[in-house]
Formats: sequence, C-alpha cells, structure tokens
Amino acid sequence: DVKVTQSSRYLVKRTGEKVFLECVQDMDHENMFWYRQDPGLGLRLIYFSYDVKMKEKGDIPEGYSVSREKKERFSLILESASTNQTSMYLCASRDDRYEQYFGPGTRLTVT
Amino acid sequence: AQSVTQPDIHITVSEGASLELRCNYSYGATPYLFWYVQSPGQGLQLLLKYFSGDTLVQGIKGFEAEFKRSQSSFNLRKPSVHWSDAAEYFCAGVNNAGNMLTFGGGTRLMVKP
Repeated sequence: DVKVTQSSRYLVKRTGEKVFLECVQDMDHENMFWYRQDPGLGLRLIYFSYDVKMKEKGDIPEGYSVSREKKERFSLILESASTNQTSMYLCASRDDRYEQYFGPGTRLTVT
Repeated sequence: AQSVTQPDIHITVSEGASLELRCNYSYGATPYLFWYVQSPGQGLQLLLKYFSGDTLVQGIKGFEAEFKRSQSSFNLRKPSVHWSDAAEYFCAGVNNAGNMLTFGGGTRLMVKP
C-alpha cells in the first residue's frame, strides 16, 4: 500500500521562527509536491521537485524554500514564519500516470 | 491560463438522494482530470481520473464522472448518497505536457439524514 507521511499533524510556532515540515514517501516516486490548503482557495502549489536536488517554484513560493537531498524525502522550510502562513500543508508524491498520493497534512498555526 | 473551477462551495443533499458536483476546466488541450475527496482531518484520496477514451469514468465508493468536451466539464455524480459521503471534494487537472496539478476551490458536501 502506498504511503506518504508527514512529520507532524499539528504544529504551533511563533512569528519569526524557522519551521521545517518533513514529508517521506515509500513509493520511489521521482516527483514530490508541497501544497497549502486554505478555505475557499483549494490547494495551491508551493514548490515541487522532480528529482533529488531539483526543484521548481509553484504558484505561491514566496516565503518558502524546499530541500530534497534524498529521493524519498521532501522538506518545506519557512525561513521566518509569519501569521499569514497559518494553514494546512499537504505533501504529495506522483506516479508516472500523474496520480498524486497525499499525506495526512500538517496544520500549522503561527502566533 | 489553465484553471479548474468548482462553482458550488457548499452543497447539501438528503441521504439516498442523487448527487452531482460540478467542475469546469480551462485548458488549451484536453487535460488529465481527477476528482479527490477529503474527509475531515484526512489527506486527499483519489476517487477517479480521466485521461482519454470512454468519457464516462467509474471510480471508487460508487462515484462516476463524465467528461464533456463541448461544455469543458467533468462533473462528479453518485446515484444515492450515504451519510459517510459528507466530505470536501476537489476537482483537479493537469496539462498532459505539464507537471503541475491545478485544483478547483473545492465543494463541501453535507448529507442530511
């Protein structure tokens, strides 16, 4: 059974903190994605990676960076968290038929 | 620009009634299209997908969707809704030359007993 895991389900951070969100997949997929989900806006792509050490900006990359040192792991980094980054963050990996498999999400609150 | 639109933010149906959730897309060529469901506190689960061929696609949990090129639509249907179908539903598309999935804003389904 395919599996995408995220390091935390809930996270509370203070403004200005550096935040790491981790995602791991066990399907040997090359493509991985980070989205944020906000009510009424659906899912918006922050960054994606198509190979180790390779990344591309999505629709809303400002304020975020990513790291992909190993194929199975894709990290999202908030260099200096702000309150407008309070959101649900979803990680996904994609197979070669364009189907994306999602993790359970991390609900991040920045105070 | 490529886009996916779900016109209905909320829909309420009675248990046992039929359901149709609307999805419209705007792509230069025929995209790959998907419907996902998200139950409270969960990640997204794929219900069904359309790549090509038969325009009526069957999915899991008794759902189906019909691709209509003339209407740029990919509506999701279920003949008889169960209380457990209450969730948020997302339509998504990707250009077959691209890598990025574009999501609609989602439709929240409530089921009345």
